Amino acid sequence: DAKTTQPTSMDCAEGRAANLPCNHSTISGNEYVYWYRQIHSQGPQYIIHGLKNNETNEMASLIITEDRKSSTLILPHATLRDTAVYYCIVRVVDSSYKLIFGSGTRLLVRP
Amino acid sequence: GAVVSQHPSWVICKSGTSVKIECRSLDFQATTMFWYRQFPKQSLMLMATSNEGSKATYEQGVEKDKFLINHASLTLSTLTVTSAHPEDSSFYICSARPGKGDWGGEHFGDGTRLSIL
Repeated sequence: DAKTTQPTSMDCAEGRAANLPCNHSTISGNEYVYWYRQIHSQGPQYIIHGLKNNETNEMASLIITEDRKSSTLILPHATLRDTAVYYCIVRVVDSSYKLIFGSGTRLLVRP
Repeated sequence: GAVVSQHPSWVICKSGTSVKIECRSLDFQATTMFWYRQFPKQSLMLMATSNEGSKATYEQGVEKDKFLINHASLTLSTLTVTSAHPEDSSFYICSARPGKGDWGGEHFGDGTRLSIL
């Protein structure tokens, strides 16, 4: 499985964009980049995923570099409720695949 | 959106008792469910994969006789922690994967906090 590396922690001011980086230099051609987050004492929540094109949904944007070796999750206007641990995971879209969580980035949104 | 319900959300029991945790997919059929364990300030650790109608597949180091998993229907998987001891105290989380389509990601329950006295 491709591994990912993320900063241990980050912070940003409320209302500003939060840019969370992820390195996945050994990603395979058939592996997608998925982002989840876990708010304290809750189960993880799916945010967004992509293969090679940039993606945007109501929660966030995902920017994947052309060589696919890294990506950035962007929360355009962070709120206090976005304080959570954010996990970047690379995986195949396959019925047998297991979702393995790394350490993630602990994002603190400051008032 | 898809909802996964986990019950109970919180349980305290005496050492030596068995505890059953339920994971239900409320609005979709889940051919595969997963069970995770999370200790304080750590990431989620996958314990086992539960497939409807077949035996669960356990990750290395997870005792299958200790953590009994049953996936009897397409909407329900249960995890039973047998003869629980204080070291089994943890946050247990399940996730459910739809049978087809929906590759937006697994849907997670809100976890069960288990405390063994």
